[in-house]
Amino acid sequence: IVMTQSPLSLSVTPGEPASISCRSSQSLLHSNAYNYLDWYLQKPGQSPQLLIYLGSYRASGVPDRFSGSGSGTDFTLQISRVEAEDVGVYYCMQTLQSLYTFGQGTKLEI
Amino acid sequence: EVQLVESGGGLVKPGGSLSLSCVVSGLSFSDAWMSWVRQAPGRGLEWVGRIVGGGGPTDYAADVKGRFTISRDDSKNTVYLQMNSLKIEDSGVYYCSHITMFRGVVTSLDFWGQGTQVTVSS
Repeated sequence: IVMTQSPLSLSVTPGEPASISCRSSQSLLHSNAYNYLDWYLQKPGQSPQLLIYLGSYRASGVPDRFSGSGSGTDFTLQISRVEAEDVGVYYCMQTLQSLYTFGQGTKLEI
Repeated sequence: EVQLVESGGGLVKPGGSLSLSCVVSGLSFSDAWMSWVRQAPGRGLEWVGRIVGGGGPTDYAADVKGRFTISRDDSKNTVYLQMNSLKIEDSGVYYCSHITMFRGVVTSLDFWGQGTQVTVSS
């Protein structure tokens, strides 16, 4: 499954919203009604961290300004009010197939 | 506190071999599904492979299948990545990660190690 993100880079003013799109080449909606799509953030110099799993569930400790939506092949990560600490590269990843695949990444700058 | 600590990275010549280790603490390891992810210099994340908990099967990305082998030693809470026939394009930081479950669904990578650097160069 090929994952395509857009845009590849994003410059946002603190306090403003941001949105990142992720499209998959096949539907990620399983018969169990879950979408097998995750979002990760890799801050500069750090390991990636999980933000959103199964399309819309926020991981433990993730601020509620982050939200995930979408179904099937089209997904969106939204940040309601960007903060300086949100800079880094955002990746979507599918886990529907046993061979996981990441999107190319979207670099968010302030 | 869950911790994943990778080791074993280094410099190796093309065609050579290297074995990475990842020691896991703070969770029940024997049932844990584990994954390896890599990142070439200045590039994005690339999933390498995974091993199922309880001595289950492994899966590999097409680029590494037949060259890389993931294994585990539950007595040592350790997962391994044996890399053979290494190519220059295998260079990068290799991360170990834990695959979590949600309501019985195998899903995302919730815990990550700090990564270990692998450089393939002549």
